[in-house]
Amino acid sequence: NAGVTQTPKFQVLKTGQSMTLQCAQDMNHEYMSWYRQDPGMGLRLIHYSVGAGITDQGEVPNGYNVSRSTTEDFPLRLLSAAPSQTSVYFCASSNVVTAMPGELFFGEGSRLTVL
Amino acid sequence: KNQVEQSPQSLIILEGKNCTLQCNYTVSPFSNLRWYKQDTGRGPVSLTIMTFSENTKSNGRYTATLDADTKQSSLHITASQLSDSASYICVVSANSGNTPLVFGKGTRLSVIA
Repeated sequence: NAGVTQTPKFQVLKTGQSMTLQCAQDMNHEYMSWYRQDPGMGLRLIHYSVGAGITDQGEVPNGYNVSRSTTEDFPLRLLSAAPSQTSVYFCASSNVVTAMPGELFFGEGSRLTVL
Repeated sequence: KNQVEQSPQSLIILEGKNCTLQCNYTVSPFSNLRWYKQDTGRGPVSLTIMTFSENTKSNGRYTATLDADTKQSSLHITASQLSDSASYICVVSANSGNTPLVFGKGTRLSVIA
C-alpha cells in the first residue's frame, strides 16, 4: 500500500516553461487536493476534486490547471511557470464524509524552483 | 472570516521536557479539529482529531484538548524526544462552504539534547 505518491520530488524550471506534477493514490479516496507550502504562509489549497470528472478551485488557483480522469490520479499542470510559483507542493487525498474531507493523507512533496 | 491562529510560531525545548502548543480558531460552523505533525522534508501526518463533543484525546505522549466554547485547542507533548522535532499544524474543518479546511501556519518545535 503506497498511499499517496508524488513525482518528481525535485524540479528546476525556467520562467515560461511548462510541467506537470503527478499525484497518484491507491486508497480509493474520492477527495484529492493540491497545496503549496511557502515559508511563513502555511499550506494553501490550489485545486481540489471530490471525484473523477469533478474539480474546483481553492484559495490560490491562478497559474495552475488540474484534471481528474480517474479516481487514482490528480495531476497539477503549470502552463507557464513564474518565479512566484517556486514552492513545495503537496498532494493529499481523503475519504469524503458527506461533503467534508476526513483525515488527509499527504504525499512526500515536490520541491519546485522556477528561475 | 474563518481563521486558525497557532502559537508560538517556534519553540525550543530540552529533551525530556514537556511543552504545550496552542491553536485558536474562528471557524464556524465547527465540524472537527485535527493536529498534524510534519517532519522536515516530509508531508504532514495526522496525530489526532477532536470533534465538538470531545474535550481530551491522547495518542501516546501527545494529548490534545478542545474547548469549543472558547474555540481553543492545545497539543501537549510529554517527555519530549528528539524525534518530536517537527512542525505541528492545526487544521479546522467547517461544516459548510467551499473551503471546508482551514489551516494554521504551524508551530516549529525543536527538541535539543
